[in-house]
Amino acid sequence: QSALTQPASVSGSPGQSITISCTGTSSDVGGYNYVSWYQQLPDKAPKVIIYDVSNRPSGVSYRFSGSKSGNTASLTISGLQAEDEADYYCSSHTTSGTWVFGGGTKLTVL
Amino acid sequence: QVQLQESGPGLVKPSETLSLTCTVSGDSVGSDSRYWTWIRQPPGKGLEWIGYISYSGNTNYSPSLKSRVSISLDTAKNQFSLKLSSVTAADTAVYYCARYAVRQFDYWGQGTLVTVSS
Repeated sequence: QSALTQPASVSGSPGQSITISCTGTSSDVGGYNYVSWYQQLPDKAPKVIIYDVSNRPSGVSYRFSGSKSGNTASLTISGLQAEDEADYYCSSHTTSGTWVFGGGTKLTVL
Repeated sequence: QVQLQESGPGLVKPSETLSLTCTVSGDSVGSDSRYWTWIRQPPGKGLEWIGYISYSGNTNYSPSLKSRVSISLDTAKNQFSLKLSSVTAADTAVYYCARYAVRQFDYWGQGTLVTVSS
C-alpha cells in the first residue's frame, strides 16, 4: 500500500484559512468514510483532530474542519493562529483491513 | 484517563530483533472494539502504520513489514508487544503505541526512539 499524498508544506498568515489535501485511491480514502487527521507538535506524539472525515473529538477547536470528495480528503483550518504551526497527517482505513498515513504536511504560520 | 507507555531497548544491532512493549492503563486490552496499534516515525519523516492486534487477538500488519513483524497481547499484564526481526538502519525510528477506537487513533504513547546500529 502506498502512502496517501499530501503537500509537503503550506503556509498562511494569522487569521487566514488554509486547506490541506490528502489524496488516495478507491481502496482507501474513496472507499470509506474512515479518514482521520492528526496534528503533531514538535517532539510530541500526534493528536487526533478529525475522525470519520468531518467529526471533531471533544475539546478540538471548531476552527478545524474536514471534508471529502471522491478519493481526496481535505482539512481546513480557519482563523489561523500561531499555535497551529505543526505537522499534519491524514490517515485512512483500507480495503485490506489495514491503515495508511499520508506523508505529512508542515504548516507554517507567517 | 487512558495512558500508554512504550518500553524496550533504545539500541538494537543490525540483523537482530527489535522488541518493544506497550503498557496500558485506564483501559483493558481485552475491551471490546479496541485495536492496539504500533506506528513508527523515522527521524525527520512521516508516520508509518506497522500493524495491530485486536481485543480478541486478531492481527493485521503492513504489507511492507508483514514478513518481519509480530504483535502479541498479554491480557494479564494489560500489555501488548511488538517484535520486528532482521532489522537494518532503515528501521531506526520513534516507535509509538496507540489505541484505535471509535474510528480514530485516540490515545498514543509518548514514543520511544530505537536506533539500529552496531
